[in-house]
Amino acid sequence: GQQLNQSPQSMFIQEGEDVSMNCTSSSIFNTWLWYKQDPGEGPVLLIALYKAGELTSNGRLTAQFGITRKDSFLNISASIPSDVGIYFCAGPTNSGGSNYKLTFGKGTLLTVNP
Amino acid sequence: EAQVTQNPRYLITVTGKKLTVTCSQNMNHEYMSWYRQDPGLGLRQIYYSMNVEVTDKGDVPEGYKVSRKEKRNFPLILESPSPNQTSLYFCASSPTVFWPQHFGDGTRLSIL
Repeated sequence: GQQLNQSPQSMFIQEGEDVSMNCTSSSIFNTWLWYKQDPGEGPVLLIALYKAGELTSNGRLTAQFGITRKDSFLNISASIPSDVGIYFCAGPTNSGGSNYKLTFGKGTLLTVNP
Repeated sequence: EAQVTQNPRYLITVTGKKLTVTCSQNMNHEYMSWYRQDPGLGLRQIYYSMNVEVTDKGDVPEGYKVSRKEKRNFPLILESPSPNQTSLYFCASSPTVFWPQHFGDGTRLSIL
């Protein structure tokens, strides 16, 4: 199946710092998704991107759909302790007709030191 | 309150003993899906359903079955569980788009 390469695998930062992470694929995606998983909980959809070059914000989070359609980026500005968690990128691929499989990256574990 | 409810939240069982993990959503969503999460492997899709009686395999369907007889329920069935199915499982739903917007809180399965 499709593979999404997410980096970095983990980050340890100080509160107030900005964070950048990215996701790349060998295949083209028409949609990029970013999720966050807090410890002990299910993932939460943060941002969905639908068009190459698109830049979308959700509070302090900004995500971009790469112009090659093979990558996406997530930035977090002025990090706070509650940003701690695992961030996943994901992309749907058409598996025939109107059916879509969803592939996730392996995640970036973010730790914020107060 | 809009939610996706999974049961049980935790289960320890033995190899070969059939089990079902239930998933129910109260949002009238068409799309539902199941994932397993393993350390170092992230989330992997097991099965998904576009609507009632419409299901399809994800990336790791082997050893699992699903059914979608009603819109709100999407149970995951392990007919003959094996230790390699020990994992954290998530059910999710969304209204019309083909990716999950609402996840359940997870079910941790241990197969001995």
